[in-house]
Amino acid sequence: GESVGLHLPTLSVQEGDNSIINCAYSNSASDYFIWYKQESGKGPQFIIDIRSNMDKRQGQRVTVLLNKTVKHLSLQIAATQPGDSAVYFCAENMAGGSYIPTFGRGTSLIVHP
Amino acid sequence: AAGVIQSPRHLIKEKRETATLKCYPIPRHDTVYWYQQGPGQDPQFLISFYEKMQSDKGSIPDRFSAQQFSDYHSELNMSSLELGDSALYFCASSYLDEQFFGPGTRLTVL
Repeated sequence: GESVGLHLPTLSVQEGDNSIINCAYSNSASDYFIWYKQESGKGPQFIIDIRSNMDKRQGQRVTVLLNKTVKHLSLQIAATQPGDSAVYFCAENMAGGSYIPTFGRGTSLIVHP
Repeated sequence: AAGVIQSPRHLIKEKRETATLKCYPIPRHDTVYWYQQGPGQDPQFLISFYEKMQSDKGSIPDRFSAQQFSDYHSELNMSSLELGDSALYFCASSYLDEQFFGPGTRLTVL
């Protein structure tokens, strides 16, 4: 995982807005990607995943987009709610290797009521 | 539903002391992972076990060791603690792909 230091990128949105969190991954050999949500004082929680043979996957209020050409992932959250406030991490897993997701840089999402 | 259990939740130690963190995976999960997360940082993979055997090793210092027992619980042993070891330590378990993380142990080294 990439070291991020003490200051996370922050995205502030109003309740009801759509949020887009971006992530650049590092390894072109990665074939499986996961988004995690981490609330303060808790462990990361799986949100949604996508394999490299897809470029879009939708869940409940969340959509993940994968652009392998530029090694970019995004997480879209529709109708953001205060309960969505958390740090969001993307993680990548390399094809053919063990399942050890490598976490990327976290983004702090702050939702204002 | 049962979740990953970690103990203790908080631990305060002095420099050069030892610490043991415990992890109890979700029943029937065969893989356990340990991660270290410093303040404002992403979780860094330390080590994993599959069916009680070490399967992968990440950035785990030589001062740390871990094992998985016959009941699938795992322990992370940390010796000669340093100030820089202060962090959240997460255990995760999985069966096949999706990892489920525990609540973490917050270790503070004074």
